[in-house]
Amino acid sequence: TQLLEQSPQFLSIQEGENLTVYCNSSSVFSSLQWYRQEPGEGPVLLVTVVTGGEVKKLKRLTFQFGDARKDSSLHITAAQPGDTGLYLCGVIKGGSYIPTFGRGTSLIVHP
Amino acid sequence: DARVTQTPRHKVTEMGQEVTMRCQPILGHNTVFWYRQTMMQGLELLAYFRNRAPLDDSGMPKDRFSAEMPDATLATLKIQPSEPRDSAVYFCASGLVGPEAFFGQGTRLTVV
Repeated sequence: TQLLEQSPQFLSIQEGENLTVYCNSSSVFSSLQWYRQEPGEGPVLLVTVVTGGEVKKLKRLTFQFGDARKDSSLHITAAQPGDTGLYLCGVIKGGSYIPTFGRGTSLIVHP
Repeated sequence: DARVTQTPRHKVTEMGQEVTMRCQPILGHNTVFWYRQTMMQGLELLAYFRNRAPLDDSGMPKDRFSAEMPDATLATLKIQPSEPRDSAVYFCASGLVGPEAFFGQGTRLTVV
């Protein structure tokens, strides 16, 4: 079983629409990271959330860490074609200092 | 602009050949990770180094894969002999001891 479950797996929307993707686990984490991976590139860190209930904003992207620090969501307002990519959540597993990732949500935004 | 550099970006090789992938981590970073990405499995950890010492290679097939850090500016991942099932994108990432990883652009390996 995956440590992190991301949903939906795929999302195809039109420019201007809003969307939310989710990262869920049954484990508690001290922090959670969101990355975006564009086609043919490596994942790029977007944000780290640390405190339960924390909300962080990055332009049109809003990240929230669940109150119990077991889950997180990413909301994109007025999606643009440049938002197309694979969105990955990552955590540190146990006390290992090794980033572990969900399988990601693949987002396509059509012009 | 500090970044992780991986070479080659693409590699096509025949089954049974040796493949070596190279990574230059970000200067000053003391942790290096090798990941393999496939559609089926996502990002899987192959190896983890801290201060050049290998700390975890449990995700790596030991009979054919090896990872080393000959110095602080170079990490290598070697496959010998390569097999078609090794076809994937291999990423190197570096960081400081903490949750955040900085990835290279990856090496897309195709074994025919």
